[in-house]
Amino acid sequence: GEDVEQSLFLSVREGDSSVINCTYTDSSSTYLYWYKQEPGAGLQLLTYIFSNMDMKQDQRLTVLLNKKDKHLSLRIADTQTGDSAIYFCAERMDSSYKLIFGSGTRLLVRP
Amino acid sequence: ETGVTQTPRHLVMGMTNKKSLKCEQHLGHNAMYWYKQSAKKPLELMFVYNFKEQTENNSVPSRFSPECPNSSHLFLHLHTLQPEDSALYLCASSQGQGPDTQYFGPGTRLTVL
Repeated sequence: GEDVEQSLFLSVREGDSSVINCTYTDSSSTYLYWYKQEPGAGLQLLTYIFSNMDMKQDQRLTVLLNKKDKHLSLRIADTQTGDSAIYFCAERMDSSYKLIFGSGTRLLVRP
Repeated sequence: ETGVTQTPRHLVMGMTNKKSLKCEQHLGHNAMYWYKQSAKKPLELMFVYNFKEQTENNSVPSRFSPECPNSSHLFLHLHTLQPEDSALYLCASSQGQGPDTQYFGPGTRLTVL
């Protein structure tokens, strides 16, 4: 079955690192994505990783993929107050346009 | 700005009204999507169009009627909605190949009275 799960809430202090976790169930996933949603806005693509990769780094963002455990994480280094938002992970199977989204993790960055 | 625009941004309608949501993408993409985002559920895919052809209808009630006249424009026609249809309706587009990353518009916040 298709299911993507995330913890609902994460609070960190400004300047610390944030790690947002996601688990998925479908082993045939080919691409996994991280999106950010700020209040009143649509979803902004942050990064994606192909399923044959273990890690991808893009400036302050690091994505780690453990395919054996079906676990995806997003690490934000030096978290800023502007990073406060809801973060969604999503998976896509190769044969489908369909993205399966998690429920989102609300990140709160405290000054 | 993601290159995907949606109008209106906010819409309040009665259950007997007919209204339409509009989405336009300026990215040269071939696929367009409608999603529903409500407080109680994860983001739900409603419809997918690829090269103007509908390729997915995710068991959406017939009171929602999509239209895709060309690869750049997507409409969602609304008729006889229910209060539980109140949600944020998001449009997205993608290339239709490779990582096929989807780019989202800002959404239309719909309230059904």
